[in-house]
Amino acid sequence: EVQLVESGGGLVQPGGSLRLSCAASGFTFSSYEMNWVRQAPGKGLEWVSYISSSGSTIYYADSVKGRFTISRDNAKNSLYLQMNSLRAEDTAVYYCARDANLVGATIFDYWGQGTLVTVSS
Amino acid sequence: EIVMTQSPATLSVSPGERATLSCRASQSVSSNLAWYQQKPGQAPRLLIYGASTRATGIPARFSGSGSGTEFTLTISSLQSEDFAVYYCQQYNNWPPALTFGGGTKVEIK
Repeated sequence: EVQLVESGGGLVQPGGSLRLSCAASGFTFSSYEMNWVRQAPGKGLEWVSYISSSGSTIYYADSVKGRFTISRDNAKNSLYLQMNSLRAEDTAVYYCARDANLVGATIFDYWGQGTLVTVSS
Repeated sequence: EIVMTQSPATLSVSPGERATLSCRASQSVSSNLAWYQQKPGQAPRLLIYGASTRATGIPARFSGSGSGTEFTLTISSLQSEDFAVYYCQQYNNWPPALTFGGGTKVEIK
């Protein structure tokens, strides 16, 4: 059974940092591209970042570029999101999402349960 | 950036009735469109990709159609477990950007 379990969320002050983790199991993690998607309270979904299976290709949404860093450790079946210079508008549930691995389609077939990040003084 | 607009924001439907949800793209996304279902307190679930292909395990009462800028998700006969928020997502201009619509909440009438 595919499982994605996020951790690391919490309350942080504006300008602060936080590192999110996503532990993957039930599939060959090193074969899949991975993403972070977030959802502000009561709002819709926003794609945040992508990393290829090897980690060699990375993309970010403009809203987080230069502040967030995605990474992965295939030996540990883990995905990470280092978040720096946090702003109030970064407050959201952050989901780890697996790419469906379909040619020509960047869609998300498995999601974690999410971890809440609250940026407030 | 491609903007995805979903309508209506809220759809009130009785169990057993048909629900039709719309998603419009600000420019053509070909058939590079997916639909997700999200229930309160849960992560989204993939329903449809390629505008009309059901994901694994998705019941046949869910169907998607459209191409270019206009898309529709149809739930042929609403079951109690179908009351949720539905999001469309385009992946045509990937990389580097993916965008979601604002969602349609399907509620019990």
